[in-house]
Amino acid sequence: QSVLTQPPSVSAAPGQKVSITCSGSSSNIGNNYISWYQHLPGIAPKLLIYDNNKRPSGIPDRFSGSKSGTSATLGITGLQTGDEADYYCGTWDSSVNAWVFGGGTKLTVL
Amino acid sequence: QVQLQESGPGLVKPSQTLSLTCTVSGASISGGRYYWSWIRQHPGKGLEWIGYIYYSGSTSYNPSLKSRVTISVDTSKNQFSLKLSSVTAADTAVYYCARVIRGIITPNPYGMDVWGQGTTVTVSS
Repeated sequence: QSVLTQPPSVSAAPGQKVSITCSGSSSNIGNNYISWYQHLPGIAPKLLIYDNNKRPSGIPDRFSGSKSGTSATLGITGLQTGDEADYYCGTWDSSVNAWVFGGGTKLTVL
Repeated sequence: QVQLQESGPGLVKPSQTLSLTCTVSGASISGGRYYWSWIRQHPGKGLEWIGYIYYSGSTSYNPSLKSRVTISVDTSKNQFSLKLSSVTAADTAVYYCARVIRGIITPNPYGMDVWGQGTTVTVSS
């Protein structure tokens, strides 16, 4: 049972937009920065978003992040088949002094 | 370009100690702006944070693993290492090392910006 809650799966058609939510509490998302990761099988996870909404260099602006209260959202526009992957949110949890990940969301591009 | 590479045995016997090393290239582990972390992924499961270390040697561990985990750093070799004692089959996983952005005002971790490729460790007799 993850401290951060994500939907197990989401799907959308190529070219469409999808949102992946991450729900937590005041001890984690509510008072710390959230980051998002893309994980394809057999490949190292990739940082997509940090500091709630910042993109590392090289990450296209099709990926965006937002946070409101104790929830955060990863948005992906212009979906491509190459976006099919598992997506994880993560943040520091101040109540247990530990980094926590969401359970992951599998994105299917139909 | 910063790169991280895990190394260590792919097979460990139950009750023994799992030992992995992460070699950092393209950046100094003593840079101060980062923590250095271990994360694992059990087969078919999500990511689990194991812990991190700062170049000074200060550490933070996942409370669920704290009694069995030791992370150490060797700045002269630009490496950091993981030891997980008394392993069982439940410790079978892909183990990743990663660089973690460290906050400036409050030293909380902000996220893992560079990851190693991961190494599979199987616990079996």
